[in-house]
Amino acid sequence: GQNIDQPTEMTATEGAIVQINCTYQTSGFNGLFWYQQHAGEAPTFLSYNVLDGLEEKGRFSSFLSRSKGYSYLLLKELQMKDSASYLCAVRDENYQLIWGAGTKLIIKP
Amino acid sequence: DAGITQSPRHKVTETGTPVTLRCHQTENHRYMYWYRQDPGHGLRLIHYSYGVKDTDKGEVSDGYSVSRSKTEDFLLTLESATSSQTSVYFCAISESENTEAFFGQGTRLTVV
Repeated sequence: GQNIDQPTEMTATEGAIVQINCTYQTSGFNGLFWYQQHAGEAPTFLSYNVLDGLEEKGRFSSFLSRSKGYSYLLLKELQMKDSASYLCAVRDENYQLIWGAGTKLIIKP
Repeated sequence: DAGITQSPRHKVTETGTPVTLRCHQTENHRYMYWYRQDPGHGLRLIHYSYGVKDTDKGEVSDGYSVSRSKTEDFLLTLESATSSQTSVYFCAISESENTEAFFGQGTRLTVV
């Protein structure tokens, strides 16, 4: 079967750095996405990785290792507004998105 | 922001009744999707469409049907609502199967 694993919940301090991991086992691989979802709102696109390595976009970076079936989302200089759930999704061989259950990130002052 | 509108935003319905949710887009994107989101689960694909009158099933399609008669509209119908279909439903669109998806604001459906 296909599976995406993420930690259920993480806590971090305002101004700090946090890394949210995602491991996957899917039928084929055509890219990995990270989305942010605030409570009661729609998911919004953060990043896309299809090749190994680090993609940086402002305070957010995403890393991919296809050989290890592993990705992480790195958030720097955490702000209170970063409190949200972060969803990892992999596009499989049929170009369908397989979603993890999400990681709820709690930011404390 | 991508122009996606879902209606209604909230609905309470009784078991056994049919329910239709609407997704409307103004982006002219080819692909449209219906997902449900439940606590402890990732988003789960119900049905998707890759063009007018072209639809296919997702992983949790039982009890649901869809229609796409125009590029901009994608309808999700619960033929006979059950309590297990209480959920938040999200519509999403994408330009192609390779690009990121943009989501509507969601519909919270409660079946009593």
